[in-house]
Amino acid sequence: DARVTQTPRHKVTEMGQEVTMRCQPILGHNTVFWYRQTMMQGLELLAYFRNRAPLDDSGMPKDRFSAEMPDATLATLKIQPSEPRDSAVYFCASGLDRMRQPQHFGDGTRLSIL
Amino acid sequence: DQQVKQNSPSLSVQEGRISILNCDYTNSMFDYFLWYKKYPAEGPTFLISISSIKDKNEDGRFTVFLNKSAKHLSLHIVPSQPGDSAVYFCAASDRGSYIPTFGRGTSLIVHP
Repeated sequence: DARVTQTPRHKVTEMGQEVTMRCQPILGHNTVFWYRQTMMQGLELLAYFRNRAPLDDSGMPKDRFSAEMPDATLATLKIQPSEPRDSAVYFCASGLDRMRQPQHFGDGTRLSIL
Repeated sequence: DQQVKQNSPSLSVQEGRISILNCDYTNSMFDYFLWYKKYPAEGPTFLISISSIKDKNEDGRFTVFLNKSAKHLSLHIVPSQPGDSAVYFCAASDRGSYIPTFGRGTSLIVHP
């Protein structure tokens, strides 16, 4: 059963440090999403890629966050410098850009910034 | 402003009874709705969906009802089982968009 793989599963670091989260989408999927889950906001969309091109990153704080897809098998989300308010669970999801196809989520990276 | 609202953060139900999870939306352009289920320490998984051309979609114990005039949908689980205990997210998308908007989720606890 194909799955979206996210690494690391957990990350604890001090504020000011760079954080890199990685995602391997399901083979053959051409859309990738990054979400952040917080108690207050639920699932917030941070970035959206189609065929490796960034199409929507309006939900992402541009000054410290960046998202890339170096190749079709890897998506990255970086925070530099990290702040305590970035503590959350970050999910990656992949899918096909055919209409109405549900997304497949990874199990998330739980990030704690001290 | 939240376009998809799940106003009940939590719901507790006895095993064997019906669970009803509610979702309201404000964007009249939404025409496709999904429910995802999330266990602790796992990502959300797709559960069931409904298009705006229908008012009901059923899959085993799970049924989603859509009331377009009220901009309201609900997920019914009958009978509820302890394994259904999870967070349920409602999501909606509009014509031409592949990107769903998610609600904040409702935590369902089914007691044995």
